[in-house]
Amino acid sequence: KAGVTQTPRYLIKTRGQQVTLSCSPISGHRSVSWYQQTPGQGLQFLFEYFSETQRNKGNFPGRFSGRQFSNSRSEMNVSTLELGDSALYLCASSSLTGALNEQFFGPGTRLTVL
Amino acid sequence: DQQVKQNSPSLSVQEGRISILNCDYTNSMFDYFLWYKKYPAEGPTFLISISSIKDKNEDGRFTVFLNKSAKHLSLHIVPSQPGDSAVYFCAASEANQAGTALIFGKGTTLSVSS
Repeated sequence: KAGVTQTPRYLIKTRGQQVTLSCSPISGHRSVSWYQQTPGQGLQFLFEYFSETQRNKGNFPGRFSGRQFSNSRSEMNVSTLELGDSALYLCASSSLTGALNEQFFGPGTRLTVL
Repeated sequence: DQQVKQNSPSLSVQEGRISILNCDYTNSMFDYFLWYKKYPAEGPTFLISISSIKDKNEDGRFTVFLNKSAKHLSLHIVPSQPGDSAVYFCAASEANQAGTALIFGKGTTLSVSS
């Protein structure tokens, strides 16, 4: 079974631009979560999607948004980029929604904002 | 305010000895805990988990202990191997919460020397 894939792996943008990151979950997994990893804050939960619906949202500004398609693939979008948005963005999928489920992570997209 | 804390940013251990990684949490609603391991340029990999109804879970060289009254958990690796050198993240979740949101600590970098 193929793992979670994320594209692109690396991205460089400038302040004020917007960016879209993509995540393909493991086949059969319907829950997709997004996390931001920075050196100072560790991994922080952004949001989770299940069956095209946002089920949970972390404490991030509205510039961060996401969506999920009928094939469970997910995208996240960051508008009006700030220098502080430079981070590793990780996507994770699981077979069910709920706490008692292992989440499988992709390799991440490294976003650099100049 | 951090709900999951890993107070030791780093730990150095000799090969063959025991590694003990610690994690504290503040949210009494957490009832499922996980440990993830992360190598550079890769996403986190699930290691072991424990439900709040247990105080110990063992999987090979890895054992997680949970002390609910102290809101503390620890990961024991015995014996430690050089390949265990990685960043270890503690994560927690609420079973009754809609969806899946893992709250992570900032991680502990384990270095195992041969």
